[in-house]
Amino acid sequence: EVELVQSGAEVKKPGESLKISCKGSGYSFTSYWIGWVRQMPGKGLEWMGIIYPGDSDTRYSPSFQGQVTISADKSINTAYLQWSSLKASDTAMYYCARGAGPFDPWGQGTLVTVSS
Amino acid sequence: DIQMTQSPSSLSASVGDRVTITCQASQDISNYVNWYQQKPGKAPKLLIYDASNLQTGVPSRFSGSGSGTDFTFTISSLQAEDIATYYCQQYDNLRLFTFGPGTKVDMK
Repeated sequence: EVELVQSGAEVKKPGESLKISCKGSGYSFTSYWIGWVRQMPGKGLEWMGIIYPGDSDTRYSPSFQGQVTISADKSINTAYLQWSSLKASDTAMYYCARGAGPFDPWGQGTLVTVSS
Repeated sequence: DIQMTQSPSSLSASVGDRVTITCQASQDISNYVNWYQQKPGKAPKLLIYDASNLQTGVPSRFSGSGSGTDFTFTISSLQAEDIATYYCQQYDNLRLFTFGPGTKVDMK
């Protein structure tokens, strides 16, 4: 079974750094793109960026370029989304998903709360 | 950037009703549109890919059509378990993606 399992919920303070993860199983991790999607409380889906773990080719939405970093460690079948300095406006649910056209499947989501 | 407009933003319907949602792209995107269902507190689920292809395991009451800039998603006979928010999503060969703003479907 193809599955993406994300790391657990995080509570952080403004200015702190954070790295969340997405571990793939049940398929060749290096052969499929992994995307990241933000969903702010009560809002819609926003595509953030995508990475190809096979060669670490990465693309970002213009809205998120420079705000986050996407990476992957193919030795442990894991993709990452990281922030160097969190803001309260980063409070959201973050999903990873496999694919570079249709996204399927999706991870269960990681809730990030940034509050002083 | 390619923009996606989606309508309506919400609708109320009864069990058995036919439900139609439309999505319009700001430029020609061929058939590069996917449709997702998101239930409260859950991750989105792929229903339709490349405008009209039903994802494996998805009930046949869901369908999609369109090409170019105009796309339609249809539930032929609404069921109680279909209460959710539905999103269209476009993609291109540069690996850039955009989601529509979503349509919330609830029971009348």
